Amino acid sequence: GAGVSQSPSNKVTEKGKDVELRCDPISGHTALYWYRQSLGQGLEFLIYFQGNSAPDKSGLPSDRFSAERTGGSVSTLTIQRTQQEDSAVYLCASSLKGENPEQYFGPGTRLTVT
Amino acid sequence: SQKIEQNSEALNIQEGKTATLTCNYTNYSPAYLQWYRQDPGRGPVFLLLIRENEKEKRKERLKVTFDTTLKQSLFHITASQPADSATYLCALTGGSYIPTFGRGTSLIVHP
Repeated sequence: GAGVSQSPSNKVTEKGKDVELRCDPISGHTALYWYRQSLGQGLEFLIYFQGNSAPDKSGLPSDRFSAERTGGSVSTLTIQRTQQEDSAVYLCASSLKGENPEQYFGPGTRLTVT
Repeated sequence: SQKIEQNSEALNIQEGKTATLTCNYTNYSPAYLQWYRQDPGRGPVFLLLIRENEKEKRKERLKVTFDTTLKQSLFHITASQPADSATYLCALTGGSYIPTFGRGTSLIVHP
């Protein structure tokens, strides 16, 4: 594909519901990152996948957050029992491999929890 | 703890002038420093990368300097254009391969 794609672009959900956000990285990129960006805030690291290695989950804010990466390609970020403070833009990025710091970002998913 | 500081106030300049944005950091020994551009409603776009052993890097109208003694990077856009108006983020990457991003500085170029 031409770049990183994310779906949905917008998601409105009620407090307490579960949501799944999807990321399709650039083909051949082995490293994949999830970030969260709140209004006026910097990018907050959530989780990092590198190839078949165990992911670095050190940025996940609570056990309600989890992510998977199937077949070394598509990734899904799941937020269970959403809270209003989860409202933010969730960005996915990929890079050729972890040692290549140049990251390519998707357009993001804007999550609104009502 | 690691800290990255970018000017939170918007930088307003006139078209044709050189824009200079600053990124300062503390408690960090980065291997790389990167600059990204972010437009409203979009993901960041990579612009330039500079390594810890490099002092300066250029790409077209862009120039980045990296002073590991001062713990500072300067990002310059020469002959600025209204289309350069955006938020510019700096990011530092160390050995963990997980970058830390600053909050960004908004640049507004007036015609």
